[in-house]
Amino acid sequence: NAGVMQNPRHLVRRRGQEARLRCSPMKGHSHVYWYRQLPEEGLKFMVYLQKENIIDESGMPKERFSAEFPKEGPSILRIQQVVRGDSAAYFCASSPRPGESSYNEQFFGPGTRLTVL
Amino acid sequence: AQTVTQSQPEMSVQEAETVTLSCTYDTSESDYYLFWYKQPPSRQMILVIRQEAYKQQNATENRFSVNFQKAAKSFSLKISDSQLGDAAMYFCAYRSAENYGQNFVFGPGTRLSVLP
Repeated sequence: NAGVMQNPRHLVRRRGQEARLRCSPMKGHSHVYWYRQLPEEGLKFMVYLQKENIIDESGMPKERFSAEFPKEGPSILRIQQVVRGDSAAYFCASSPRPGESSYNEQFFGPGTRLTVL
Repeated sequence: AQTVTQSQPEMSVQEAETVTLSCTYDTSESDYYLFWYKQPPSRQMILVIRQEAYKQQNATENRFSVNFQKAAKSFSLKISDSQLGDAAMYFCAYRSAENYGQNFVFGPGTRLSVLP
């Protein structure tokens, strides 16, 4: 059973470009979370999604950031018009449905390291 | 809102010795989960140990154990017989059990160095 997959692992963008980060949850998991880790800091929650629904986006910046988790395919975190301050590691985590084993845990992907030049 | 504090930005330990990493948290909830994650230079988040708040018994995983003091809202991690591979960032995390789907709240981390 493959773990949480994220791609790309490293992404370099120039200021003003768009960044698209992808996350494929573990097989059977329908809940996805995105976190951001700035250098020398802990992970900060951004958004929680289920298939075709945004459940909680309280940690997401109001502008330039959006997320989706379509019925088919991976979850996407999109950052438009990137700025240097967006440089960070972005982690995706997934969890199973309530009632399934380990449903109170989140399983993390390896992260995408975004560098904005 | 819940907060997690790790008051030790950096710690070091001699190989084969024991080290304790501190974590305190603030919450008004009675049911929750606490976790310790390890993040080596690869940046992969690795679950070290977890504790359910309703369980009084401290969790143990091989060389890793916790001292969970619910009244004091303290959740420290003890690493026994430290190994060079234990060197990493360690993050304490909180998750509510009262509402499914709650995100993790992470502390700022403690960087652990293991000296040969």
